[in-house]
Amino acid sequence: DAGVIQSPRHEVTEMGQEVTLRCKPISGHDYLFWYRQTMMRGLELLIYFNNNVPIDDSGMPEDRFSAKMPNASFSTLKIQPSEPRDSAVYFCASSPNQGITGELFFGEGSRLTVL
Amino acid sequence: AQTVTQSQPEMSVQEAETVTLSCTYDTSESDYYLFWYKQPPSRQMILVIRQEAYKQQNATENRFSVNFQKAAKSFSLKISDSQLGDAAMYFCAYGGSQGNLIFGKGTKLSVKP
Repeated sequence: DAGVIQSPRHEVTEMGQEVTLRCKPISGHDYLFWYRQTMMRGLELLIYFNNNVPIDDSGMPEDRFSAKMPNASFSTLKIQPSEPRDSAVYFCASSPNQGITGELFFGEGSRLTVL
Repeated sequence: AQTVTQSQPEMSVQEAETVTLSCTYDTSESDYYLFWYKQPPSRQMILVIRQEAYKQQNATENRFSVNFQKAAKSFSLKISDSQLGDAAMYFCAYGGSQGNLIFGKGTKLSVKP
């Protein structure tokens, strides 16, 4: 298996623009997580899905952020409009049925820079 | 709410020596899992070791071992025979009933040749 695949690897955009980050989880994994990593706040959970259904989105900063999982093999995290404080590395991770009892498999992350 | 604290922002070790990274956590749950993840400069998070709270025996993976003290809510990582490739950020994480992992702020480990 190719592992968790994220795109783009790097994104530079201007304030106010829409940003869409994409994730393909490992086939067969029922859980998908979106994390954000910054120097100040470390790794923060934004949202996670179980069987394509959002379970906990309490970490989503505000209405500018939205996440979808239309099927078991694809998820998006959208920021509209983007702001400089959204600059961070965004990680997608997936996990098999065991959920937190098993390992989280991370993608390589998408580094977002908002100018 | 559960919290994870890594009190050492940076650590340094000489190649071939042993280093211990500290982690404490706070929870009222009795059943949970603890993890150490490594993040090299390539950014990808890699699982190093995992510990189930109900197991008294400390987990070991080759040169990596943990000292799990449940009563003290402490979960330290020991790296023996440190290698240059061990240089990375190390994150301690807690997994409980909330369904996701809660991460500490990380410890940056440098390995000196």
